[in-house]
Amino acid sequence: AQTVTQSQPEMSVQEAETVTLSCTYDTSESNYYLFWYKQPPSRQMILVIRQEAYKQQNATENRFSVNFQKAAKSFSLKISDSQLGDTAMYFCAFMTPNQGGKLIFGQGTELSVKP
Amino acid sequence: SAVISQKPSRDICQRGTSLTIQCQVDSQVTMMFWYRQQPGQSLTLIATANQGSEATYESGFVIDKFPISRPNLTFSTLTVSNMSPEDSSIYLCSASRTQGYNEQFFGPGTRLTVL
Repeated sequence: AQTVTQSQPEMSVQEAETVTLSCTYDTSESNYYLFWYKQPPSRQMILVIRQEAYKQQNATENRFSVNFQKAAKSFSLKISDSQLGDTAMYFCAFMTPNQGGKLIFGQGTELSVKP
Repeated sequence: SAVISQKPSRDICQRGTSLTIQCQVDSQVTMMFWYRQQPGQSLTLIATANQGSEATYESGFVIDKFPISRPNLTFSTLTVSNMSPEDSSIYLCSASRTQGYNEQFFGPGTRLTVL
């Protein structure tokens, strides 16, 4: 069975600084997808960034980038130039193409950006 | 993208009663899912809502407790039956245009409290 682990329940960062959120996963599959979702307080979950396992190049989306280490089964999220609006719960999620779109989520990391 | 709405946004219910949650997508989607997010916890998939056929339930969730309907490509309902305080959670609907490596869009959630 696949599992996703986020070992940092809470993190805080000063505005404009950089923070890295950790995620590890366990799977025997070779083809899969990884996602980071953001859930702001009392707001809808939105996709931050995604990565295909067969792509070696790390995905980037503006201030958000990932460090994908397939051999280590690690998928960390780096947020550069943190902004107050980045305050949210961040979930790492995993999907395999043969499981009908099912997302397996980690426990979440609550990030606070402080002014 | 897809915009997803859920009704009701929150409810307080008595033990032993049932509540039906509606999920409406603003465009046709292939996949619709129902997740449960218990207080301070991660998201757990309850079931995949299949259009025109019975829902596919995850381990630990049964149709008698969580009957699901999906009459068309834009709408689904989840009923939480014979509720107990342990059912107090946020229930989220999500949708994806296709299976696999595609963004899942999430609804705002329904916050259910069972007394």
